[in-house]
Amino acid sequence: KNEVEQSPQNLTAQEGEFITINCSYSVGISALHWLQQHPGGGIVSLFMLSSGKKKHGRLIATINIQEKHSSLHITASHPRDSAVYICAVRLLGREKLTFGTGTRLTIIP
Amino acid sequence: DADVTQTPRNRITKTGKRIMLECSQTKGHDRMYWYRQDPGLGLRLIYYSFDVKDINKGEISDGYSVSRQAQAKFSLSLESAIPNQTALYFCATSDYRGRNEQYFGPGTRLTVT
Repeated sequence: KNEVEQSPQNLTAQEGEFITINCSYSVGISALHWLQQHPGGGIVSLFMLSSGKKKHGRLIATINIQEKHSSLHITASHPRDSAVYICAVRLLGREKLTFGTGTRLTIIP
Repeated sequence: DADVTQTPRNRITKTGKRIMLECSQTKGHDRMYWYRQDPGLGLRLIYYSFDVKDINKGEISDGYSVSRQAQAKFSLSLESAIPNQTALYFCATSDYRGRNEQYFGPGTRLTVT
């Protein structure tokens, strides 16, 4: 079993819909990252969380440390949000990140 | 200009050839990383470096070597390329202790025939 599981693997929605992508992990962590990978391949860091909630524009990321779960929400989704969203965790006592396999999001106009 | 650059962006090479992928950063970060990405798999760490004198193996270092020529430069070499090294390779940087976000280069698409 992977240490980081994302769901769903693929998500197609209509423009304007509220989007939720989930990330669950099985071990203790010091931080969780959400990344966005554009269709051209480039990767951008969206959020780093160790507790609570962060918001940037239409993106909101939350984390529940006790439940070992994080969600990434996109409000008023737009076709330009189409990308692969990757969850990554920094395990306690480890320097490296462990990555999920990503959620491919497609927003239809 | 981009903070993290990678060269080349695309490369096709033959089995057995030596190839070097280069990464440069202008962010002044101490830590640099090389990852590979394969379809259906998460990013996997090949090597990482905390500074020019500190090089560490990641989870999939076999068949690869690295060189940290300066704080700003971190190169990945495939000594004798094989087809299963065909992948998308990313360089990334982060600051002290890596607790802040990682900044990724644009990626190098490598095909070994």
